[in-house]
Amino acid sequence: QSALTQPPSASGSPGQSVTISCTGTSGDVGGYNYVSWYQQYLGKAPKLMIYEVSKRPSGVPDRFSGSKSGNTASLTVSGLQAEDEADYYCCSYAGSNTYVFGTGTKVTVL
Amino acid sequence: VQLVESGGELVQPGGSLRLSCAASGFNFRGYWMHWVRQTPGKGLVWVSRVDNAGSGTIYADSVKGRFTISRDNAKNTVSLQMNSLRAEDTAVYYCVRDVSYGMDGWGQGTTVTVSS
Repeated sequence: QSALTQPPSASGSPGQSVTISCTGTSGDVGGYNYVSWYQQYLGKAPKLMIYEVSKRPSGVPDRFSGSKSGNTASLTVSGLQAEDEADYYCCSYAGSNTYVFGTGTKVTVL
Repeated sequence: VQLVESGGELVQPGGSLRLSCAASGFNFRGYWMHWVRQTPGKGLVWVSRVDNAGSGTIYADSVKGRFTISRDNAKNTVSLQMNSLRAEDTAVYYCVRDVSYGMDGWGQGTTVTVSS
């Protein structure tokens, strides 16, 4: 199972929006509405930010939103804040009870 | 939700190790549980999942036949028995809870180093 493809980096100024893509295949991202997103600060454990493509767990700011079109899912962070600087990973259910993560994107707040 | 992993250590190639995860703060038996690993400086990789009862298990191809996931609902624990360890198994291992095919409850993980 190959990792989902994410851009290595993305950046934006405070207050701007940044969108991270996550490209898979019809066997994972395109085939199921089970894409999740994780935020990870350097040296810390990941945190669930989005599940089922666009749902936010309790406590996650509504500045974080998710969407999907075909085999590509996206995470958008609106109103970028300094605290949003972190690594972000997508993950998709890939059928047969298996899962695949993305390659990760480092978001920098300029 | 609290998940605390333990059992990671330095082990020689070909060796075995058993990781444990103690769960608290939620109805443990109501959730599937996963193990996910992260190689130093690299990304996340899904390793294995066990269903609520412990009877349904699934593995990534890279660990199939070498790793075994299990759970004890009476003790609120999930384990990962790792055999025939390889250098490429070196990673931080996280135990996480499945929430609608997402994963939460990430703890600090436990570090496994496979080296001679």
